[in-house]
Amino acid sequence: AQTVTQSQPEMSVQEAETVTLSCTYDTSESDYYLFWYKQPPSRQMILVIRQEAYKQQNATENRFSVNFQKAAKSFSLKISDSQLGDAAMYFCAYRSPLITNDKLIFGTGTRLQVFP
Amino acid sequence: SQTIHQWPATLVQPVGSPLSLECTVEGTSNPNLYWYRQAAGRGLQLLFYSVGIGQISSEVPQNLSASRPQDRQFILSSKKLLLSDSGFYLCAWSSLRDYTDTQYFGPGTRLTVL
Repeated sequence: AQTVTQSQPEMSVQEAETVTLSCTYDTSESDYYLFWYKQPPSRQMILVIRQEAYKQQNATENRFSVNFQKAAKSFSLKISDSQLGDAAMYFCAYRSPLITNDKLIFGTGTRLQVFP
Repeated sequence: SQTIHQWPATLVQPVGSPLSLECTVEGTSNPNLYWYRQAAGRGLQLLFYSVGIGQISSEVPQNLSASRPQDRQFILSSKKLLLSDSGFYLCAWSSLRDYTDTQYFGPGTRLTVL
């Protein structure tokens, strides 16, 4: 079974600085999808970025980018020019491409604090 | 554009009382629908998912049930709430036309069982 591990329960960053959140996963599949979700204090889960495993190019969405290392099974999220509004829980998630196994598997989350 | 609604936003219920949480999606048809629960300080636990009207798959056996009476409506129910049912309930949808099956979440319902 696939697993997702976020080894950093908490991280902090100064406003305008860059921070990287780690995520590793375990799978025997060659194709899959990876996601980062943000959960602010309102607790609504917001999609930040997604990566398709067959694509070698790292996904980027404005200030958010990923470092996808398929061989190492690593999927880290880099937040550039951090803003106070980036403070939230961040969850990494994995999804198999198989219709029979289409659940999202979430990590335990990393709480990001942003200091002014 | 697509939007997903959940209500109520907050609910306080006594032990043993019934429960009905509603989730509706606008701007899409034939969505996959999901119910998750998140206990305080914890990750998300998938409870139910549905690929069509009347089609419900249960991930965790418990005193909760789900129904999908209409294409874009998903309801989470219980006949008798337990203290352990307290938590934050999130509904999500994904599109059959999106091969990544990316899930988009609603604002959630905070349930407290006393």
